[in-house]
Amino acid sequence: EVQLVESGGGLVKPGSSLKLSCVASGFTFSSYGMHWIRQAPKKGLEWIALIYYDSSNKYYADSVKGRFTISRDNSKNTLYLEMNSLRSEDTAMYYCAKTDYWGQGVMVTVSS
Amino acid sequence: DVVMTQTPVSLSLAIGQPASISCKSSQSLLGTSGKTFLNWILQRPGQSPKRLIYQVSKLYSEVPDRFSGSGSETEFTLKISRVEAEDLGVYYCWQGTHFPYTFGAGTKLELK
Repeated sequence: EVQLVESGGGLVKPGSSLKLSCVASGFTFSSYGMHWIRQAPKKGLEWIALIYYDSSNKYYADSVKGRFTISRDNSKNTLYLEMNSLRSEDTAMYYCAKTDYWGQGVMVTVSS
Repeated sequence: DVVMTQTPVSLSLAIGQPASISCKSSQSLLGTSGKTFLNWILQRPGQSPKRLIYQVSKLYSEVPDRFSGSGSETEFTLKISRVEAEDLGVYYCWQGTHFPYTFGAGTKLELK
């Protein structure tokens, strides 16, 4: 059974940093590209980043480019999202996804 | 960016009625590989999104065959032949052909 379990969310002040993690199981993690997708409260879904299976390519939405970094450690079956210079508009549920499977999400709230 | 336009915004249907959701993209989703990366997902209340259909019309194994997907280039449709109670939630189309990947705004299916 595919499982994606996110962690690392919380309440932070504008301008601060946070690092999300997503531990994967139930599939060969090192063979798949992985995404981060977010959903602001009561809003729709926004794709924010993709990393190839071997980290050779990374793509970002303009809204996070230069502030967020996606990475992975295939030896630990773990996907990361490092978020810097956080803004109030980054407040959202952050989902780790394998394209066809999604985690339960982790909440990030940016507020003073 | 590719704009994904979903209609209607909401649907109120009785159990057993058919449903149809339209998704139109601002540019063709036919990729250089010859594949069209148009997906449908369902987000039930309080849950993370679940997979339904990939590459326009391919159902994931666990998805009931009352669901179907069709379309090409810029116009796509999700149909439910007979709505059941478990089908309520928000349906999203999303494209994985062009970066940044983008989502439709969602169609909320409510039961009468």
